[in-house]
Amino acid sequence: ELKVEQNPLFLSMQEGKNYTIYCNYSTTSDRLYWYRQDPGKSLESLFVLLSNGAVKQEGRLMASLDTKARLSTLHITAAVHDLSATYFCAVVLSGYALNFGKGTSLLVTP
Amino acid sequence: KAGVTQTPRYLIKTRGQQVTLSCSPISGHRSVSWYQQTPGQGLQFLFEYFSETQRNKGNFPGRFSGRQFSNSRSEMNVSTLELGDSALYLCASSPRASEQYFGPGTRLTVT
Repeated sequence: ELKVEQNPLFLSMQEGKNYTIYCNYSTTSDRLYWYRQDPGKSLESLFVLLSNGAVKQEGRLMASLDTKARLSTLHITAAVHDLSATYFCAVVLSGYALNFGKGTSLLVTP
Repeated sequence: KAGVTQTPRYLIKTRGQQVTLSCSPISGHRSVSWYQQTPGQGLQFLFEYFSETQRNKGNFPGRFSGRQFSNSRSEMNVSTLELGDSALYLCASSPRASEQYFGPGTRLTVT
């Protein structure tokens, strides 16, 4: 059974600080996704990582993938309040079907 | 380009009833996937359709069914509703495996 584990599940951080969210998965996958969800909203695609060593950056967010360790990280640099949201990682279950982690609820405080 | 649309956005049903939710993918996208999101279970895959064929199915009871039409629009049906079926149902549209675009969701409340 494919398991996707995120940690931490809850994260409160001060503006300006850095932090990393971890996503571990149990079986090999050729794609890993990161999504953002604001309260009451749908999922917004952040990154798709397709190969070992892939690194993608957008603004204050940077995602990386280590397929050998079955680990992806989402690094937040100099957090700002607008980054408060829930972040999900997902790996391929089969074909186009995705298996999601439980999500990390991030709250950035002044 | 218009995004993924889902109708209705909100729905209240009573236990035992059935419900049909609709998803219109982005033009040109032939794959549509459905997910259920609940506070307890998180995001769970329901099924995926590609060119009117179900390619993958998640671990849900037979009360959950779906179909896809020739114009790629998809519907999912839940029969004999239970309280636990209350959830946000999300539809995703894909042109290829590496891209998935989610719709706004349908929030179903079962009373």
